[in-house]
Amino acid sequence: EDQVTQSPEALRLQEGESSSLNCSYTVSGLRGLFWYRQDPGKGPEFLFTLYSAGEEKEKERLKATLTKKESFLHITAPKPEDSATYLCAVPGTASKLTFGTGTRLQVTL
Amino acid sequence: EPEVTQTPSHQVTQMGQEVILRCVPISNHLYFYWYRQILGQKVEFLVSFYNNEISEKSEIFDDRFSVERPDGSNFTLKIRSTKLEDSAMYFCASSEDHITNTEAFFGQGTRLTVV
Repeated sequence: EDQVTQSPEALRLQEGESSSLNCSYTVSGLRGLFWYRQDPGKGPEFLFTLYSAGEEKEKERLKATLTKKESFLHITAPKPEDSATYLCAVPGTASKLTFGTGTRLQVTL
Repeated sequence: EPEVTQTPSHQVTQMGQEVILRCVPISNHLYFYWYRQILGQKVEFLVSFYNNEISEKSEIFDDRFSVERPDGSNFTLKIRSTKLEDSAMYFCASSEDHITNTEAFFGQGTRLTVV
């Protein structure tokens, strides 16, 4: 069965303090990896899709990278508005996403 | 920007009653999903739907659950004989193609509280 593990569970950063979130996965054959952002009481908001090892995607202060066993979400010079839970997910089949438990990020002034 | 719309945002129901959660997927999307998230836990897959039939369902999606696309725009999740453990956020999602080829977009969710 597909498994997705995210670390750390929670991360507190000061504004401007860069860091990385980790998503490791075990799948029978990687068919993509998705990053989502989730604000409290809201639905997951799509950020990135990565399909092959070595691929990188960027959006504002966020950069996602992918290796054969894990993905990283790098946050450069974060701001308080980046505070959220970041989820990664893999397609277990063509029609089902398996999510990790997420990393709760808090960015303080 | 197109978005997935869910109603109601919050539903309270008595144990044993039936509830219907409604969703309007993005208009050109062909694949539809329901997920749920119990408070403090991860997002879990319930069911996927394509071409007017269920493509895949999880163990959570037992015979109390059903989905329907009654017209060209709505996608509903019905839960009969609700239980306390059905209390969760329910998210509808849609995608243009298989999720191995494209991303899924999620609605803002319906918080279901069974009392």
